[in-house]
Amino acid sequence: GQQVQQSPASLVLQEGENAELQCNFSSTATQLQWFYQSPGGSLVSLLSNPSGTKHTGRLTSTTVTKERRSSLHISSSQTTDSGTYLCAIDRNSNNRIFFGDGTQLVVKP
Amino acid sequence: GGIITQTPKFLIGQEGQKLTLKCQQNFNHDTMYWYRQDSGKGLRLIYYSITENDLQKGDLSEGYDASREKKSSFSLTVTSAQKNEMAVFLCASSRVHWGETLYFGSGTRLTVL
Repeated sequence: GQQVQQSPASLVLQEGENAELQCNFSSTATQLQWFYQSPGGSLVSLLSNPSGTKHTGRLTSTTVTKERRSSLHISSSQTTDSGTYLCAIDRNSNNRIFFGDGTQLVVKP
Repeated sequence: GGIITQTPKFLIGQEGQKLTLKCQQNFNHDTMYWYRQDSGKGLRLIYYSITENDLQKGDLSEGYDASREKKSSFSLTVTSAQKNEMAVFLCASSRVHWGETLYFGSGTRLTVL
């Protein structure tokens, strides 16, 4: 079965609204990262957050390890936030990384 | 700063052909990865390497070979291209292991005729 499940699959917002993206995983994760993939395809790491809460700019990630879930909150969304957000876990620190299928975010002006 | 360069950006091959994708990084990173991304899907790990001459199979290694002859380069060979493997292939690297920030190249889009 799928190791990492992300929801929603797609999300459409008006500029200024907040976004809440979810990531659930089927086994214990020793590491968890959130990535952004631009419409052109390039991928950048946003946050590494295996547990607890982390902030960077308008992004907040909260991971509850024992419940096997993580969320990514984007505040005051901008049109440039449009793209795909991917969650990835490493189960046993053995570099076997599992990615979810992503949430496609569209922010309208 | 550094950069990961993947070549070619677009690769067109015939069914059954052997095709090679290349990846270079100048971060001096230890670990390098090859992923495949099918349209609208997440990434699946094909091969990774934790140091020069090391190779580790991922979940999708069947039908692929990889080579890490230098620390800075990691190549992937599709041993016999099939139409159902048209996808974007992404190379990535990290300093020690993936718990560190992972840096990605811009991808090679494979089309099989």
